[in-house]
Amino acid sequence: TQLLEQSPQFLSIQEGENLTVYCNSSSVFSSLQWYRQEPGEGPVLLVTVVTGGEVKKLKRLTFQFGDARKDSSLHITAAQTGDTGLYLCAGAGGSGGYQKVTFGTGTKLQVIP
Amino acid sequence: EPEVTQTPSHQVTQMGQEVILRCVPISNHLYFYWYRQILGQKVEFLVSFYNNEISEKSEIFDDQFSVERPDGSNFTLKIRSTKLEDSAMYFCASRGTNYGYTFGSGTRLTVV
Repeated sequence: TQLLEQSPQFLSIQEGENLTVYCNSSSVFSSLQWYRQEPGEGPVLLVTVVTGGEVKKLKRLTFQFGDARKDSSLHITAAQTGDTGLYLCAGAGGSGGYQKVTFGTGTKLQVIP
Repeated sequence: EPEVTQTPSHQVTQMGQEVILRCVPISNHLYFYWYRQILGQKVEFLVSFYNNEISEKSEIFDDQFSVERPDGSNFTLKIRSTKLEDSAMYFCASRGTNYGYTFGSGTRLTVV
């Protein structure tokens, strides 16, 4: 069973601060995805990283895939109240094109004005 | 932007009853999935479906569960005899040839 651990589980910061969320596993993934989920809604894909060491930027969000494709991080610069939400990492693995994703435990972020 | 549509948004059913959860994936996607999320817990994989057959299923997806793509557009999840512990949000997802998954907004199933 592939497990993805996220840390921290909860994070409360002031607006304008920077933060990093980590996603770690002992398994190798073919790709790693980051989602944001609002209460009562489905996960919404933010980014997919595929290559070990890959870095992707989405405005103030920077995503990195570990060299060994077992871990990833999400860094938010100058957090805003609109960044508040549940952030999920998800690893895709398995053979064949139908690869399922395994979700991490989630990081609940609260940005205080 | 294309989206995955799920109906109903909320279903209440009595224990032992059959329920069918419906999904309309993105039209040119090839891979289809059902996931569930029990309140306060993480999103769990149930089943993947490709080329009109199940390609992988989890331990949760026992004989009480089945999936079907009856008409080339809908993708359904059936639970034959619901149990209290089946209460959860059920998410449908689809994927094309790239890595990105698109999830629906979910169906909240409450078994009483």
